Amino acid sequence: EDQVTQSPEALRLQEGESSSLNCSYTVSGLRGLFWYRQDPGKGPEFLFTLYSAGEEKEKERLKATLTKKESFLHITAPKPEDSATYLCAVLTSMFSGGYNKLIFGAGTRLAVHP
Amino acid sequence: NAGVTQTPKFRVLKTGQSMTLLCAQDMNHEYMYWYRQDPGMGLRLIHYSVGEGTTAKGEVPDGYNVSRLKKQNFLLGLESAAPSQTSVYFCASSRDRGDTQYFGPGTRLTVL
Repeated sequence: EDQVTQSPEALRLQEGESSSLNCSYTVSGLRGLFWYRQDPGKGPEFLFTLYSAGEEKEKERLKATLTKKESFLHITAPKPEDSATYLCAVLTSMFSGGYNKLIFGAGTRLAVHP
Repeated sequence: NAGVTQTPKFRVLKTGQSMTLLCAQDMNHEYMYWYRQDPGMGLRLIHYSVGEGTTAKGEVPDGYNVSRLKKQNFLLGLESAAPSQTSVYFCASSRDRGDTQYFGPGTRLTVL
């Protein structure tokens, strides 16, 4: 069964304390992996897309990496404004009805304290 | 560009009542989606559309209906609301089937 698991569920960091969020997946063929940021009461905001193992993308203090079984979102020297829930979603090769199945993880709630 | 917009932002229904959620996008995207988000779970696909005039069932379609009469709009209907449909509903759109999905701000629905 296709599955996407994010860990930890919640993470508390001090400002400047770097860390990583994990997204592990078991799916029937990976076509892409997406990272989103979601602020409370808002919709998910797109961050990155990764397509193949070894690929990396960076944006400000965030860096996403991809292996054959998992992806990491590295946060370097985080600031309080980085506090949010981070979602990953895996696009599978399962194709039906004109649609490739996209499976979301439950998210990691990140809180960065001054 | 407003991107993806949703109305209303909040709604409270009594069991058995009906309602329609409206999603609009101004990016000329072919694909549109309706998801629900519940605590501790990933976003789950309710229905989707691969173009104007088309709709298809997603992972959790029971109790919902959809229509896409115009390319820019995707409506989600609840014919007889149940407490289990209390959730936050998100609409999304994408250019093509494998492309990035862009989300609206969500509608928080409570069914009493």
